[in-house]
Order: sequence, then C-alpha cells, then structure tokens
Amino acid sequence: AQSVTQLGSHVSVSEGALVLLRCNYSSSVPPYLFWYVQYPNQGLQLLLKYTTGATLVKGINGFEAEFKKSETSFHLTKPSAHMSDAAEYFCAVSDRVSSASKIIFGSGTRLSIRP
Amino acid sequence: GAGVSQSPSNKVTEKGKDVELRCDPISGHTALYWYRQSLGQGLEFLIYFQGNSAPDKSGLPSDRFSAERTGGSVSTLTIQRTQQEDSAVYLCAGGQGNYGYTFGSGTRLTVV
Repeated sequence: AQSVTQLGSHVSVSEGALVLLRCNYSSSVPPYLFWYVQYPNQGLQLLLKYTTGATLVKGINGFEAEFKKSETSFHLTKPSAHMSDAAEYFCAVSDRVSSASKIIFGSGTRLSIRP
Repeated sequence: GAGVSQSPSNKVTEKGKDVELRCDPISGHTALYWYRQSLGQGLEFLIYFQGNSAPDKSGLPSDRFSAERTGGSVSTLTIQRTQQEDSAVYLCAGGQGNYGYTFGSGTRLTVV
C-alpha cells in the first residue's frame, strides 16, 4: 500500500526566502511522484512530476523537487518566495504497476508568505 | 473540451435528499477519478474508472455513494440520502497513464 506524509500542515516564510515543503512517501514499488498546487477557491493544478530519469525535477513557477530514493522523500523547494505562491500544496504518489493507478494524496501544506 | 468540466459548481441540498454530480472529462482521457476534499482536509480517493475495466470502488465511504461512467466519457457521482458529513468539495480528474491528472474545479456540496 502506498502513502504520503507531508510534514507541517502550515508553513510560513518571508517574501524572498527559501520555500521548503517536505514530503515522504511509502511505496512497495517504484513510485511516480507529484506535487499539486491549489490556489484559493480553485481546482488542483499539476506543479511537477517525477516518473523516470533525472531525479531533480523542475516545475512551473520556479519550483523544483528532488526524488531521493534512499530517504523516500520528494521535497518541494523554491529559492525565493513570492506573494503569489501562497496556496495549498499537495504531494502525491502512484505506482507504476498498472496503466492507470489511483493517486494517493498527502494531507496538504498551506504555504503563507509574509511581506 | 479544453478542460475537465464539473457541474454544478455549488449544490445545497437538504439532509436525506439524493444528489447527482457530473463530470465531463477531457476527450480521449481514458482514466477518470473522483476525490473528496473536506474542509481543511486532504484529498480522499473515492473511485476511478479506466477504460472498459471494472471501476475501483475501494474509496467509496458507504453504499449511499455510487458512480457510473457512460460511454467512457461523462461520469456521474450519486449520493443517496445525503448526510451532513457528506458536505465537501467533490473533485473529478482525468488523465492517461501515470503522468499526472487534470482536475476540474469541483462541486461544493453543502448538506443542510
């Protein structure tokens, strides 16, 4: 069974500071990993994904995440936070076994940006 | 269509009534998922459809919940005899393979 743990339900950083949102996963098979962002009163938008190949994945809006198999982690980072980054962020995992497997989401991390 | 469309966007219903939530996925997407997001909670998997295979219903919380997908396209999630704890945003997502999914904007259901 797969699971995702997001450490910290709420993270607050100053504008211009580093953003680090933590995600650890559990999977019995090599996983596909995702980060989704949900802006207030909007649906979920895919930020980035890891499937195969390079373990450092770059996404939209300057975000990136690194797949670390030894640590079973897929932390999301951005070097310099912007006010528009304030949103809810969800880490997710699915397996590679079948052609379409359900994606399991973490409980989310709400990112606030201080002026 | 250009994106996943869900209707209605908002639904207020009385406790005990049945409701139907609709999802129009992107044309060609073989997989369709339903999730539920309660206030301050993460996304709870409900059900998914993949092509002509039997749907994975393992996430449906009770037998009051059911879903169907007609012709491999439009899907309807039905909640019978709604309860207040059913109040949530119901999200539909479509995709192909394990490459991430496109979500609709959701239906906000309020049971009063």
